[in-house]
Amino acid sequence: GQQVMQIPQYQHVQEGEDFTTYCNSSTTLSNIQWYKQRPGGHPVFLIQLVKSGEVKKQKRLTFQFGEAKKNSSLHITATQTTDVGTYFCAVGRSYIPTFGRGTSLIVHP
Amino acid sequence: GAGVSQSPRYKVAKRGQDVALRCDPISGHVSLFWYQQALGQGPEFLTYFQNEAQLDKSGLPSDRFFAERPEGSVSTLKIQRTQQEDSAVYLCASSLGPPAGLYEQYFGPGTRLTVT
Repeated sequence: GQQVMQIPQYQHVQEGEDFTTYCNSSTTLSNIQWYKQRPGGHPVFLIQLVKSGEVKKQKRLTFQFGEAKKNSSLHITATQTTDVGTYFCAVGRSYIPTFGRGTSLIVHP
Repeated sequence: GAGVSQSPRYKVAKRGQDVALRCDPISGHVSLFWYQQALGQGPEFLTYFQNEAQLDKSGLPSDRFFAERPEGSVSTLKIQRTQQEDSAVYLCASSLGPPAGLYEQYFGPGTRLTVT
């Protein structure tokens, strides 16, 4: 199946600092999704990217899909304690999603 | 209506015991997925239903795992003769479909299974 690598595995930031997580694939992706999972919670859908070079914003979150559609990033500006959680990318061929290992964001107040 | 629900939320089973985990998807959602999530890992695909048809069960780790969705709504994941390595959170997700590509998935709260 499709493999996806997500880095870093953990990221500690001070509140107010920026945060970025990357999702990389060796194959061209049709689309990519991002999910957030709070500690003790379940994954919650954030966004889906489909087009080459696509950039989407949700308040302080910016999502990018690479020109070659092999990588994607999620950037959070001025992190807040409410951003704490694990961020997963998910890729798939047809209907079978493959999730990355996730990046756990720890925000220190 | 309500989101995806799962029961029980927590299950402790003795090694060798059979367990059944239930998922109630969002009404009208055609697609239903089961995942296994180990601590510190992303969700691992187990099986996929489109309505009542199990179209893919390639992720089920052994023949001790069995899933069904007989009427195309509620689904049950059954694990026979549980082993310690089955301890994990089992997530159910539903989405509109059938999909060409990925659709947004709505996850349930999960069932945390601990095998002692």
